[in-house]
Amino acid sequence: DIQMTQSPSSLSASVGDRVTITCRASQSISNFLNWYQQKPGKAPKLLIYAASSLQSGVPSRFSGSGSGTDFTLTISSLQPEDFATYYCQQSYITEYTFGQGTKLEIQ
Amino acid sequence: QVQLVQSGAEVKKPGASVKVSCKASGYTFTSYDIHWVRQATGQGLEWMGWMNPNSGNTGYAQKFQGRVTITRNTPISTAYMELSSLRSEDTAVYYCARRGLGAYTYGGVLNWFDPWGQGTLVTVSS
Repeated sequence: DIQMTQSPSSLSASVGDRVTITCRASQSISNFLNWYQQKPGKAPKLLIYAASSLQSGVPSRFSGSGSGTDFTLTISSLQPEDFATYYCQQSYITEYTFGQGTKLEIQ
Repeated sequence: QVQLVQSGAEVKKPGASVKVSCKASGYTFTSYDIHWVRQATGQGLEWMGWMNPNSGNTGYAQKFQGRVTITRNTPISTAYMELSSLRSEDTAVYYCARRGLGAYTYGGVLNWFDPWGQGTLVTVSS
Protein backbone atom coordinates (compact mmCIF):
# COMPACT_ATOMS: atom_id res chain seq x y z
CA ASP A 1 0.00 0.00 0.00
CA ILE A 2 0.98 3.61 -0.47
CA GLN A 3 1.09 5.40 2.86
CA MET A 4 -0.08 9.01 2.97
CA THR A 5 1.17 11.21 5.79
CA GLN A 6 -0.32 14.63 6.47
CA SER A 7 1.09 17.37 8.63
CA PRO A 8 0.17 18.89 10.88
CA SER A 9 -2.54 16.69 12.40
CA SER A 10 -4.22 19.78 13.79
CA LEU A 11 -3.82 23.48 13.26
CA SER A 12 -5.21 26.57 14.96
CA ALA A 13 -5.59 29.66 12.82
CA SER A 14 -7.57 32.87 12.56
CA VAL A 15 -9.89 34.25 9.91
CA GLY A 16 -7.78 35.89 7.23
CA ASP A 17 -4.70 33.74 7.85
CA ARG A 18 -2.84 31.91 5.11
CA VAL A 19 -2.65 28.20 5.89
CA THR A 20 -0.67 25.37 4.33
CA ILE A 21 -1.20 21.65 4.88
CA THR A 22 1.29 19.13 3.57
CA CYS A 23 0.86 15.56 2.41
CA ARG A 24 3.66 13.10 1.70
CA ALA A 25 3.32 9.80 -0.16
CA SER A 26 5.49 6.79 0.65
CA GLN A 27 6.34 6.43 -3.04
CA SER A 28 5.97 8.57 -6.13
CA ILE A 29 2.36 9.05 -7.21
CA SER A 30 2.99 11.62 -9.96
CA ASN A 31 0.04 14.03 -9.66
CA PHE A 32 -2.54 11.41 -8.60
CA LEU A 33 -3.38 13.36 -5.47
CA ASN A 34 -6.75 14.72 -4.37
CA TRP A 35 -7.82 16.92 -1.45
CA TYR A 36 -11.14 16.73 0.39
CA GLN A 37 -12.81 18.88 3.03
CA GLN A 38 -15.05 17.32 5.65
CA LYS A 39 -17.25 19.11 8.14
CA PRO A 40 -18.71 17.38 11.20
CA GLY A 41 -21.55 15.01 10.34
CA LYS A 42 -21.10 15.54 6.60
CA ALA A 43 -19.60 13.59 3.74
CA PRO A 44 -16.21 14.60 2.36
CA LYS A 45 -16.27 17.17 -0.42
CA LEU A 46 -13.77 17.28 -3.29
CA LEU A 47 -11.69 20.47 -3.32
CA ILE A 48 -8.66 19.76 -5.50
CA TYR A 49 -8.02 16.91 -7.94
CA ALA A 50 -4.91 15.93 -9.86
CA ALA A 51 -2.81 17.79 -7.28
CA SER A 52 -3.59 21.29 -8.51
CA SER A 53 -6.93 21.42 -10.35
CA LEU A 54 -9.67 23.30 -8.54
CA GLN A 55 -13.01 21.50 -8.49
CA SER A 56 -15.87 23.47 -9.99
CA GLY A 57 -17.59 25.67 -7.43
CA VAL A 58 -14.70 25.65 -4.95
CA PRO A 59 -13.48 29.14 -4.00
CA SER A 60 -10.23 30.28 -5.56
CA ARG A 61 -8.62 30.82 -2.15
CA PHE A 62 -7.97 27.08 -2.20
CA SER A 63 -4.99 25.87 -4.19
CA GLY A 64 -2.92 22.73 -4.48
CA SER A 65 0.58 22.01 -5.65
CA GLY A 66 3.17 19.28 -5.80
CA SER A 67 4.15 16.19 -7.71
CA GLY A 68 5.89 12.93 -6.97
CA THR A 69 5.80 12.47 -3.20
CA ASP A 70 5.26 15.93 -1.72
CA PHE A 71 2.08 17.97 -1.97
CA THR A 72 0.53 21.02 -0.36
CA LEU A 73 -2.94 22.45 0.09
CA THR A 74 -3.01 26.20 0.67
CA ILE A 75 -5.88 28.38 1.80
CA SER A 76 -4.87 31.95 1.02
CA SER A 77 -7.22 33.76 3.41
CA LEU A 78 -9.19 31.66 5.85
CA GLN A 79 -12.91 32.18 6.02
CA PRO A 80 -15.19 31.03 8.87
CA GLU A 81 -16.63 28.24 6.72
CA ASP A 82 -13.15 26.77 6.10
CA PHE A 83 -12.78 25.38 9.60
CA ALA A 84 -13.03 21.66 8.96
CA THR A 85 -10.90 18.54 8.54
CA TYR A 86 -8.89 18.11 5.36
CA TYR A 87 -7.78 14.82 3.82
CA CYS A 88 -5.40 14.01 1.02
CA GLN A 89 -5.92 10.86 -1.06
CA GLN A 90 -3.76 9.05 -3.56
CA SER A 91 -5.51 7.70 -6.65
CA TYR A 92 -2.38 6.25 -8.30
CA ILE A 93 -3.16 2.65 -7.43
CA THR A 94 -6.58 1.14 -6.89
CA GLU A 95 -5.90 0.30 -3.23
CA TYR A 96 -6.77 3.93 -2.50
CA THR A 97 -5.39 5.44 0.67
CA PHE A 98 -6.02 8.67 2.56
CA GLY A 99 -3.94 10.78 4.86
CA GLN A 100 -4.93 10.75 8.52
CA GLY A 101 -6.51 14.18 8.24
CA THR A 102 -5.69 17.72 9.37
CA LYS A 103 -8.19 19.38 11.68
CA LEU A 104 -8.27 23.13 11.16
CA GLU A 105 -9.59 24.93 14.21
CA ILE A 106 -10.38 28.52 15.06
CA GLN A 107 -7.70 30.19 17.15
CA GLN B 1 -27.83 17.42 -10.29
CA VAL B 2 -25.57 14.43 -9.74
CA GLN B 3 -26.52 12.83 -6.46
CA LEU B 4 -25.96 9.64 -4.47
CA VAL B 5 -28.54 8.85 -1.80
CA GLN B 6 -27.85 6.10 0.71
CA SER B 7 -30.11 3.96 2.86
CA GLY B 8 -30.72 4.68 6.52
CA ALA B 9 -28.87 3.79 9.68
CA GLU B 10 -28.58 0.15 10.74
CA VAL B 11 -28.02 -1.60 14.06
CA LYS B 12 -26.64 -5.13 13.85
CA LYS B 13 -25.44 -7.80 16.24
CA PRO B 14 -21.94 -9.23 16.03
CA GLY B 15 -21.71 -11.94 13.41
CA ALA B 16 -24.57 -10.58 11.34
CA SER B 17 -24.41 -8.97 7.88
CA VAL B 18 -25.45 -5.53 6.71
CA LYS B 19 -26.37 -4.33 3.23
CA VAL B 20 -26.20 -0.61 2.44
CA SER B 21 -27.69 0.85 -0.74
CA CYS B 22 -26.58 3.83 -2.80
CA LYS B 23 -29.02 5.23 -5.37
CA ALA B 24 -27.57 7.35 -8.16
CA SER B 25 -29.39 10.10 -10.02
CA GLY B 26 -28.57 12.91 -12.42
CA TYR B 27 -26.21 10.91 -14.62
CA THR B 28 -25.89 7.60 -16.47
CA PHE B 29 -25.33 5.06 -13.70
CA THR B 30 -23.33 2.67 -15.87
CA SER B 31 -20.79 5.30 -16.94
CA TYR B 32 -18.92 5.72 -13.65
CA ASP B 33 -17.43 3.36 -11.08
CA ILE B 34 -18.86 3.42 -7.57
CA HIS B 35 -16.51 3.14 -4.58
CA TRP B 36 -17.15 2.53 -0.90
CA VAL B 37 -15.28 4.23 1.94
CA ARG B 38 -15.88 3.96 5.66
CA GLN B 39 -15.10 6.15 8.66
CA ALA B 40 -15.16 5.06 12.27
CA THR B 41 -16.22 7.72 14.76
CA GLY B 42 -13.49 10.31 15.12
CA GLN B 43 -11.23 8.45 12.71
CA GLY B 44 -10.01 8.84 9.15
CA LEU B 45 -11.24 7.53 5.82
CA GLU B 46 -10.73 3.90 4.81
CA TRP B 47 -11.28 2.67 1.27
CA MET B 48 -13.16 -0.64 0.99
CA GLY B 49 -13.74 -1.45 -2.67
CA TRP B 50 -15.20 -0.53 -6.04
CA MET B 51 -17.57 -1.70 -8.74
CA ASN B 52 -18.01 -0.97 -12.42
CA PRO B 53 -21.82 -0.77 -12.77
CA ASN B 54 -21.63 -1.55 -16.47
CA SER B 55 -19.66 -4.79 -16.30
CA GLY B 56 -20.27 -5.68 -12.66
CA ASN B 57 -16.52 -6.04 -12.15
CA THR B 58 -15.40 -5.43 -8.60
CA GLY B 59 -12.24 -4.98 -6.56
CA TYR B 60 -11.80 -5.03 -2.80
CA ALA B 61 -9.26 -3.81 -0.30
CA GLN B 62 -7.18 -6.68 1.01
CA LYS B 63 -8.40 -5.99 4.54
CA PHE B 64 -12.00 -6.71 3.55
CA GLN B 65 -11.47 -9.56 1.08
CA GLY B 66 -13.93 -12.36 1.78
CA ARG B 67 -16.19 -10.16 3.94
CA VAL B 68 -17.37 -7.46 1.55
CA THR B 69 -19.48 -7.79 -1.58
CA ILE B 70 -20.44 -4.92 -3.87
CA THR B 71 -23.31 -5.43 -6.31
CA ARG B 72 -25.71 -3.37 -8.36
CA ASN B 73 -29.24 -3.25 -9.74
CA THR B 74 -28.78 -1.37 -12.98
CA PRO B 75 -32.46 -0.70 -13.84
CA ILE B 76 -32.88 1.24 -10.60
CA SER B 77 -29.39 2.82 -10.68
CA THR B 78 -28.50 1.45 -7.27
CA ALA B 79 -25.30 0.00 -5.89
CA TYR B 80 -25.06 -2.12 -2.76
CA MET B 81 -22.31 -2.89 -0.27
CA GLU B 82 -22.74 -5.93 1.94
CA LEU B 83 -20.39 -6.56 4.85
CA SER B 84 -20.58 -9.89 6.66
CA SER B 85 -19.32 -11.35 9.95
CA LEU B 86 -19.74 -7.97 11.59
CA ARG B 87 -17.74 -7.10 14.71
CA SER B 88 -17.73 -4.07 16.95
CA GLU B 89 -14.80 -2.57 15.04
CA ASP B 90 -17.04 -2.34 11.96
CA THR B 91 -19.13 0.36 13.65
CA ALA B 92 -18.68 3.28 11.29
CA VAL B 93 -20.27 5.58 8.75
CA TYR B 94 -20.18 3.98 5.31
CA TYR B 95 -20.04 6.20 2.22
CA CYS B 96 -20.46 5.51 -1.47
CA ALA B 97 -18.76 7.80 -3.95
CA ARG B 98 -18.65 8.16 -7.72
CA ARG B 99 -15.24 8.00 -9.32
CA GLY B 100 -14.64 10.82 -11.76
CA LEU B 101 -12.09 10.51 -14.55
CA GLY B 102 -9.78 13.06 -16.07
CA ALA B 103 -6.89 13.17 -18.48
CA TYR B 104 -4.71 10.20 -19.32
CA THR B 105 -1.16 10.73 -18.12
CA TYR B 106 2.00 8.68 -17.81
CA GLY B 107 0.72 6.96 -14.68
CA GLY B 108 -2.77 6.23 -15.99
CA VAL B 109 -6.05 8.11 -15.91
CA LEU B 110 -6.38 10.82 -13.28
CA ASN B 111 -9.32 10.09 -11.02
CA TRP B 112 -11.08 11.27 -7.86
CA PHE B 113 -14.24 10.75 -5.79
CA ASP B 114 -17.10 13.16 -6.44
CA PRO B 115 -19.83 13.30 -5.32
CA TRP B 116 -20.22 11.27 -2.15
CA GLY B 117 -23.38 9.85 -0.64
CA GLN B 118 -24.56 11.31 2.65
CA GLY B 119 -23.29 8.32 4.61
CA THR B 120 -24.94 5.43 6.46
CA LEU B 121 -24.19 4.76 10.11
CA VAL B 122 -23.80 1.07 10.88
CA THR B 123 -23.66 0.22 14.57
CA VAL B 124 -22.54 -3.25 15.64
CA SER B 125 -23.52 -4.01 19.19
CA SER B 126 -24.74 -6.96 21.21
